[in-house]
Amino acid sequence: EVQLLESGGGLVQPGGSLRLSCAASGFTFSSYAMSWVRQAPGKGLEWVSAISGSGGSTYYADSVKGRFTISRDNSKNTLYLQMNSLRAEDTAVYYCAKDQEITIFGVVIIEGWFDPWGQGTLVTVSS
Amino acid sequence: EIVLTQSPGTLSLSPGERATLSCRASQSVSSSYLAWYQQKPGQAPRLLIYGASSRATGIPDRFSGSGSGTDFTLTISRLEPEDFAVYYCQQYGSSPPRTFGQGTKVEIK
Repeated sequence: EVQLLESGGGLVQPGGSLRLSCAASGFTFSSYAMSWVRQAPGKGLEWVSAISGSGGSTYYADSVKGRFTISRDNSKNTLYLQMNSLRAEDTAVYYCAKDQEITIFGVVIIEGWFDPWGQGTLVTVSS
Repeated sequence: EIVLTQSPGTLSLSPGERATLSCRASQSVSSSYLAWYQQKPGQAPRLLIYGASSRATGIPDRFSGSGSGTDFTLTISRLEPEDFAVYYCQQYGSSPPRTFGQGTKVEIK
């Protein structure tokens, strides 16, 4: 059974940093792209960032580009999200999710649906 | 960026009734690359449908998806008590970024 378990959330002041982790099990982690998706309190879903199975390709939403860094350690089956310069509007539950990738003419394209999702970890940015 | 608009915002129905949820895209979604998710309070979203009409593993056949281009529909043929939840559509044909609709809440009437 595929399992994803996020950790690292908490309360942080504006301008601060936080690193989220997502421990994966039940599948060949290095063979799959992974994504972070967030949900502000009472709001909808927003894709944040994606990374290919090898870690060689990364993508970000404009809202976090330059502030967040996605990475992975395939030897530990763990996905990370380093969040710097945090703002109040980054307050949300952050979910990691198994993603889809294909390679066309040597180019990795991360596309598709998210399945499954972890249970989420809450990040609150407030003074 | 493709904007997805879901309607209605809230659907009030009784168990056993049919639910029809709409998702409209601001531009054509490539190859019907559209997914649907169900989210219950305090839980993570769960994939229901991908490729506009393919059911995910373990999803009951009362859930069906249809549509192409800019108009997509999720139908729940007969609502069960566990189906009352929020439903989101998501496109992945023209990204990044992949985008979600704002959600439709299906509540008990």
